[in-house]
Amino acid sequence: AQSVTQLGSHVSVSEGALVLLRCNYSSSVPPYLFWYVQYPNQGLQLLLKYTSAATLVKGINGFEAEFKKSETSFHLTKPSAHMSDAAEYFCAVSDSGGSNYKLTFGKGTLLTVNP
Amino acid sequence: DAGITQSPRYKITETGRQVTLMCHQTWSHSYMFWYRQDLGHGLRLIYYSAAADITDKGEVPDGYVVSRSKTENFPLTLESATRSQTSVYFCASSAGLAGGLDTQYFGPGTRLTVL
Repeated sequence: AQSVTQLGSHVSVSEGALVLLRCNYSSSVPPYLFWYVQYPNQGLQLLLKYTSAATLVKGINGFEAEFKKSETSFHLTKPSAHMSDAAEYFCAVSDSGGSNYKLTFGKGTLLTVNP
Repeated sequence: DAGITQSPRYKITETGRQVTLMCHQTWSHSYMFWYRQDLGHGLRLIYYSAAADITDKGEVPDGYVVSRSKTENFPLTLESATRSQTSVYFCASSAGLAGGLDTQYFGPGTRLTVL
């Protein structure tokens, strides 16, 4: 069974500061990993995904994440936070097996950006 | 380009009533999913469907029924609503072309309150 743990249900940063949202996964097979973002009163949208092609993945809005197999981590970062980044962020994992289309989500991290 | 829509967006009902939440996508995606989002739990999969007339249980299926007679629609029915089913419900779809790599596209959600 696969699972995702997001460390910190709430992260608060100042505008212009580094954003670091942590995600650790557990999977019995090589995983595919995703970060989704949810803005208030909206559905989730994909930020980026790890496909095993490269360990450093760049996504939309200046976010990136690095896959570290030895640490079973896929932390999300952004060098400089913007007010518009305030949202809830979800890490998710799926099985790399060809027939598994299901995602398992973490519990989410709410990012607050202070002016 | 309508994408994926959900209706109603807000619903208040009473314990014991039947409620149906609608989901419609215009992409002809093969896979469709229903999630519920609760504070502290993230998103949990209720049911999913690989194609018309093919459905399967997710993590939390009890108390819910789904059907998929047409590729574009995936209604979720609460046969006898309970207070514990008060939640935000998200529908998602994916093309079903890339296995675990598929991006899921989410609807805007339905906020259901059971009194």
